[in-house]
Amino acid sequence: QQQVRQSPQSLTVWEGETAILNCSYEDSTFDYFPWYHQFPGESPALLIAIRPVSNKKEDGRFTIFFNKREKKFSLHIADSQPGDSATYFCAAHNTNTGKLTFGDGTVLTVKP
Amino acid sequence: GPKVLQIPSHQIIDMGQMVTLNCDPVSNHLYFYWYKQILGQQMEFLVNFYNGKVMEKSKLFKDQFSVERPDGSYFTLKIQPTALEDSAVYFCASSRDRDYEQYFGPGTRLTVL
Repeated sequence: QQQVRQSPQSLTVWEGETAILNCSYEDSTFDYFPWYHQFPGESPALLIAIRPVSNKKEDGRFTIFFNKREKKFSLHIADSQPGDSATYFCAAHNTNTGKLTFGDGTVLTVKP
Repeated sequence: GPKVLQIPSHQIIDMGQMVTLNCDPVSNHLYFYWYKQILGQQMEFLVNFYNGKVMEKSKLFKDQFSVERPDGSYFTLKIQPTALEDSAVYFCASSRDRDYEQYFGPGTRLTVL
């Protein structure tokens, strides 16, 4: 049973559009939800994260929307740029164990 | 930002040999992790380590795997013996506490022939 599901597998948008990446989770004990991005050959880097006490978190062009009741959260990238092209992973964190459970990733391509 | 270093970046070995992957975590971090990523797939948790002990391990953390951090030096992942299915990129991460952001190293690409 996959604990964190991510969609779509790949996404192509034009420069300036908003890219929307989606995740859902099963385990109610998850208490922290980060998004990482990963460029080819590099390590994952934290982009933005949210805790369940909030339903929205913004940082510049990046916004997380969180729905605790439906166990879903999404990443919106406004005004997408070609430099945003990367693989994006959502994750869910359990503070008791310190373990991060990752989604399968979304390969985002932003066309100029 | 804080940097996690991993040595080597690439390792090629024959099946059945032993391999040790080294991680130099962020200096004031207390929690350490290993994740495994097969090409094009998600990162999967292997193990976390705190105060000299394994806190939790996944079913991917086979009996052939072990971790340690002797005397505050490198945090290591040892695989003995290696198997073909161990080929992957192994990422080390560290965090100040369980509740804090995990910083990832650049990964070690392990190829088992």
